[in-house]
Amino acid sequence: AQSVSQHNHHVILSEAASLELGCNYSYGGTVNLFWYVQYPGQHLQLLLKYFSGDPLVKGIKGFEAEFIKSKFSFNLRKPSVQWSDTAEYFCAVNDLPREYGNKLVFGAGTILRVKS
Amino acid sequence: SAVISQKPSRDICQRGTSLTIQCQVDSQVTMMFWYRQQPGQSLTLIATANQGSEATYESGFVIDKFPISRPNLTFSTLTVSNLSPEDSSIYLCSVSREITDTQYFGPGTRLTVL
Repeated sequence: AQSVSQHNHHVILSEAASLELGCNYSYGGTVNLFWYVQYPGQHLQLLLKYFSGDPLVKGIKGFEAEFIKSKFSFNLRKPSVQWSDTAEYFCAVNDLPREYGNKLVFGAGTILRVKS
Repeated sequence: SAVISQKPSRDICQRGTSLTIQCQVDSQVTMMFWYRQQPGQSLTLIATANQGSEATYESGFVIDKFPISRPNLTFSTLTVSNLSPEDSSIYLCSVSREITDTQYFGPGTRLTVL
């Protein structure tokens, strides 16, 4: 079964620092890849997604992610973080496509704190 | 994306009782899902709510403990039965318009069992 690893559980950065959050998945078939974000007191929101095409995906708020199939990775990046990026970030991968729809398998999440 | 609401937003329940959580979407969607997020952990899929038929449960989740209804394309309920403190979690509803489409999440229901 599919599994997802996020390498860092807690990350602390100063404003304007660059961010890279690692995400690796285990199953190497056809996958859809997602990053979701949960800001303090808010519900889970889609940050960006990859279904096919250009492996460099751009999302909201200046975030981007790169799909590297050979490394089973989908790392999230942002060149310069802001205090408002403080949140928990979840990488998710769909399991094998099934008749009843794609099951999302989530990583453990990374809590990002940006110091102002 | 769809607008998803859940009721209640939070509840405190006694051991042995049940809680029913409602998920309402502002437009028709093909797929509805129920997830659990235990304290300090990630999200785990409980089941896929199928309209007009029994839900499809993931390994480790059973219908007697987590009965699910989906009477139409905009509404679903999840009941957590015979509550124990281990059921204290956030329960989230998600939806997607098509079978292989992006999932969007509701605000969640925070359940505490005493």
